[in-house]
Amino acid sequence: DVKVTQSSRYLVKRTGEKVFLECVQDMDHENMFWYRQDPGLGLRLIYFSYDVKMKEKGDIPEGYSVSREKKERFSLILESASTNQTSMYLCASSLERELFFGEGSRLTVL
Amino acid sequence: EDKVVQSPLSLVVHEGDTVTLNCSYEVTNFRSLLWYKQEKKAPTFLFMLTSSGIEKKSGRLSSILDKKELSSILNITATQTGDSAIYLCAPLRADKLIFGTGTRLQVFP
Repeated sequence: DVKVTQSSRYLVKRTGEKVFLECVQDMDHENMFWYRQDPGLGLRLIYFSYDVKMKEKGDIPEGYSVSREKKERFSLILESASTNQTSMYLCASSLERELFFGEGSRLTVL
Repeated sequence: EDKVVQSPLSLVVHEGDTVTLNCSYEVTNFRSLLWYKQEKKAPTFLFMLTSSGIEKKSGRLSSILDKKELSSILNITATQTGDSAIYLCAPLRADKLIFGTGTRLQVFP
């Protein structure tokens, strides 16, 4: 079974802090994604990557950056967290049509 | 086995036309259904539908879920060339999103 692991299930940070959300997948998938999920807004794509060191902006990249130094690891970075970045963050990986999600990281920014 | 079927596979229309895209699914542990638009490599989110019969609207796009019929439709009115894309229907199971094959929409001026 594919496993997508997000390092932190719950985080509480202060405004202005730098935040790292880590995601690791164990199935050698090319494509990895970061989404945020907010009530009534569904899943919105932040960034995605289809190869090591490659990244592309999704729907809402502002305020975020990503890093893909190794194929299995895709990190989401909030350089200076703000309260409107309080959300559930979901990492996913895919080979073809199926997206496999991690359990999510719930971030609260105070 | 989970199954997601979208129709038509491909559609060519002129600007201003209205289109209806169909999605039928057979998915265990169904939670909700999502529609995505794919212009680049990754699909971008359009709608999430959880309840039957409640239409969701966003500008010229609207969508509705029928849990009894295990289907959903996506309507686009007054199409524009910028609507040209692949539209993906994706039922959400407990642990994963399963994308259909997609409908390729081409809108010509």
